[in-house]
Amino acid sequence: GQQVMQIPQYQHVQEGEDFTTYCNSSTTLSNIQWYKQRPGGHPVFLIQLVKSGEVKKQKRLTFQFGEAKKNSSLHITATQTTDVGTYFCAGFSGGSNYKLTFGKGTLLTVNP
Amino acid sequence: GAVVSQHPSRVICKSGTSVKIECRSLDFQATTMFWYRQFPKQSLMLMATSNEGSKATYEQGVEKDKFLINHASLTLSTLTVTSAHPEDSSFYICSARPVAVTEAFFGQGTRLTVV
Repeated sequence: GQQVMQIPQYQHVQEGEDFTTYCNSSTTLSNIQWYKQRPGGHPVFLIQLVKSGEVKKQKRLTFQFGEAKKNSSLHITATQTTDVGTYFCAGFSGGSNYKLTFGKGTLLTVNP
Repeated sequence: GAVVSQHPSRVICKSGTSVKIECRSLDFQATTMFWYRQFPKQSLMLMATSNEGSKATYEQGVEKDKFLINHASLTLSTLTVTSAHPEDSSFYICSARPVAVTEAFFGQGTRLTVV
């Protein structure tokens, strides 16, 4: 079945440093989505990428979708303590049930 | 954005009892809802896909008779953990999406502790 690999599993940074998490799918995706889960909370949708090579920005967050639509990255510039949480990518390969395959997530901690 | 409400947020039950968790889409109709299980510091493990008006589709390794799913209306799906054991203790989260929208909206999750 489809697999979505995500690295790194953990990342600890000093406030102000940059952060990147990477996802790689075993199959070509229709779209890829990113979610953030704060400690003790539930996943919250951040963004969806659909087009090959697509790049989207949300303030300090930059999301990329690879040309082959099999990999993606999330980059945070100048991290802040509010960025703490686990970032998940989720791949959608199509199908009427809209089932998402989640990566294992990257837990980001920020030292103030 | 769309709102999904999950209840209860926390529940403690005794071994051998059953627990029902509700997942409601508050401002949209959801023909499909998803139930996940999440262990501490781990990813979301899809347990089953809940289909309104029909049987749920379970992922490999998930016991159908233990995790009963009912999706009786377009706004409500329930997960019942039957004959709960301590190893069933976990964080259970549901998600749903409006029609023609692919991103998922998650409930707040239910922290189940079986003692």
